[in-house]
Amino acid sequence: AQKITQTQPGMFVQEKEAVTLDCTYDTSDQSYGLFWYKQPSSGEMIFLIYQGSYDEQNATEGRYSLNFQKARKSANLVISASQLGDSAMYFCAMGNYGQNFVFGPGTRLSVLP
Amino acid sequence: GAGVSQTPSNKVTEKGKYVELRCDPISGHTALYWYRQSLGQGPEFLIYFQGTGAADDSGLPNDRFFAVRPEGSVSTLKIQRTERGDSAVYLCASSLGGGRSLNEQFFGPGTRLTVL
Repeated sequence: AQKITQTQPGMFVQEKEAVTLDCTYDTSDQSYGLFWYKQPSSGEMIFLIYQGSYDEQNATEGRYSLNFQKARKSANLVISASQLGDSAMYFCAMGNYGQNFVFGPGTRLSVLP
Repeated sequence: GAGVSQTPSNKVTEKGKYVELRCDPISGHTALYWYRQSLGQGPEFLIYFQGTGAADDSGLPNDRFFAVRPEGSVSTLKIQRTERGDSAVYLCASSLGGGRSLNEQFFGPGTRLTVL
């Protein structure tokens, strides 16, 4: 069975600093994808970044990068130069081809001015 | 451009009643997902459609829950004999394709279901 673990229920970061949100996963599949979503207090789910299990390079999207360590089954999200608008819940998720998606419990990030 | 839409945005019902929640995916998206999100938790997978067929319904909690997508576009999640524990936000998402491709999912705003 697939499982996503996010061990940090809450994180604080000072504005303009970088922060790493942890995500570990468990799967027996060889082909899978890892996703990060942001959910502000308004409730919408916003896609941030994607990493395929066969991608050799770590994914980057603007201020977001994914630190993918396949052997350790970890897919940490790094947010550089934090902004006040980054305060939200962050979910790590995993999908297998043609099958369901599993989300982690989330990490609440608070950016301090 | 139109995103994923869900109706109603809020639904209040009484225990034991039947409810239907509707999802309109992005045009051209063949994959459609339903999730349930309780307060303070991550979305919980319910069912995944590829086209008209349910490719994976392993997340449906029991036989009171059923979903259809008869023409491969709009989907309806149906809950019979609602219970107070069914209260949650029901999220729908669509993506370009499932099967042999993994694509970003676009989420709707959700339907907040409250069972009194």
